[in-house]
Amino acid sequence: AQSVAQPEDQVNVAEGNPLTVKCTYSVSGNPYLFWYVQYPNRGLQFLLKYITGDNLVKGSYGFEAEFNKSQTSFHLKKPSALVSDSALYFCAVRDVTYKYIFGTGTRLKVLA
Amino acid sequence: DGGITQSPKYLFRKEGQNVTLSCEQNLNHDAMYWYRQDPGQGLRLIYYSQIVNDFQKGDIAEGYSVSREKKESFPLTVTSAQKNPTAFYLCASSVGAGSYEQYFGPGTRLTVT
Repeated sequence: AQSVAQPEDQVNVAEGNPLTVKCTYSVSGNPYLFWYVQYPNRGLQFLLKYITGDNLVKGSYGFEAEFNKSQTSFHLKKPSALVSDSALYFCAVRDVTYKYIFGTGTRLKVLA
Repeated sequence: DGGITQSPKYLFRKEGQNVTLSCEQNLNHDAMYWYRQDPGQGLRLIYYSQIVNDFQKGDIAEGYSVSREKKESFPLTVTSAQKNPTAFYLCASSVGAGSYEQYFGPGTRLTVT
């Protein structure tokens, strides 16, 4: 069965430090992977996606993600965290029926 | 939140009443989706539509119904058969089914008492 796991409910990082939000997936065939961010009481905003090609994908607001096929992971990263990055982050994968499966979300807290 | 609108932002209903949540998009997208968000459970797919006049059940369709009579509109009805309807509902659209990212509306918070 297709699935996405975000193993950390919350990640705390100091402002200016690098951040990583983890995501692993299980899917048949080639994975189509996405990261979204959600601010309180708002809809989700698209950050980046991996479809094919370079394993390092760059997205909005300085975020990037690294696709690792052997580890079936798609971790979200940013070299220097900002307080304004504090939000809820979702990893998602598209399955073979064109549905999108979302992880349970990771709350990122950037401390000043 | 792109070109997707959801109304109302907050909705209150009594148990036993059906309620319809509105979702409209002006992005000319073919595909539209409804999700339910509960704390700690991420997003769960209720229904999705890849094209006008066609839709499929998602993972938690019981107690919900939809229609897709126009490309820009995908209303969701929460019926009295839905056992636990209080939640945050999100509508999304994408260019088409496939490798495309989704654009989300601002959401409707439904409270049923």
